[in-house]
Amino acid sequence: AQTVTQSQPEMSVQEAETVTLSCTYDTSESDYYLFWYKQPPSRQMILVIRQEAYKQQNATENRFSVNFQKAAKSFSLKISDSQLGDAAMYFCAYYNYGQNFVFGPGTRLSVLP
Amino acid sequence: NAGVTQTPKFRVLKTGQSMTLLCAQDMNHEYMYWYRQDPGMGLRLIHYSVGEGTTAKGEVPDGYNVSRLKKQNFLLGLESAAPSQTSVYFCASSQRDMQTQYFGPGTRLLVL
Repeated sequence: AQTVTQSQPEMSVQEAETVTLSCTYDTSESDYYLFWYKQPPSRQMILVIRQEAYKQQNATENRFSVNFQKAAKSFSLKISDSQLGDAAMYFCAYYNYGQNFVFGPGTRLSVLP
Repeated sequence: NAGVTQTPKFRVLKTGQSMTLLCAQDMNHEYMYWYRQDPGMGLRLIHYSVGEGTTAKGEVPDGYNVSRLKKQNFLLGLESAAPSQTSVYFCASSQRDMQTQYFGPGTRLLVL
């Protein structure tokens, strides 16, 4: 079965600085999707960024970008110019055809003013 | 366009009581999902539906039932609530398989 690991339960970053959240996953498949979701105190899950495994180019979304290393099964999220509103739980998720989403345990990000 | 909504937002039950959580989406999505989220854990899939009238079990289906009588609604039922079902429940929908999931705001359930 697929598993998703986020080895950093908590992270902190100074406002305007850059932070990287790590995620590794285990799969024997070659074609799949990876996601980063943000969960602020409101608890709503918000999609941050999505990556298709067949694409070599790393996905970017404004201040958010990923470093997708397929061979290493690594999918880290980089947040540039961190803002107070970025403080939240961040979940890495894996999805494959015909299977269900698998979520990691999450990383709590604090942004310090 | 409200996206995905969940009712109620918060509920307290006594052990053995029953209740139904309602999820509604207005995006005409085919796929809908129910997850539970517990402290220190990611979301775990309870049940899901790939279309009106169809449901399937997820990772943790025991103690729950679901129904998808209308495309826009997905109901999660607890027939006899147990303290182990204290959790935050999230509903999500997606346009079709492999697509991004859109989540509701969550329902916090406390079973005493």
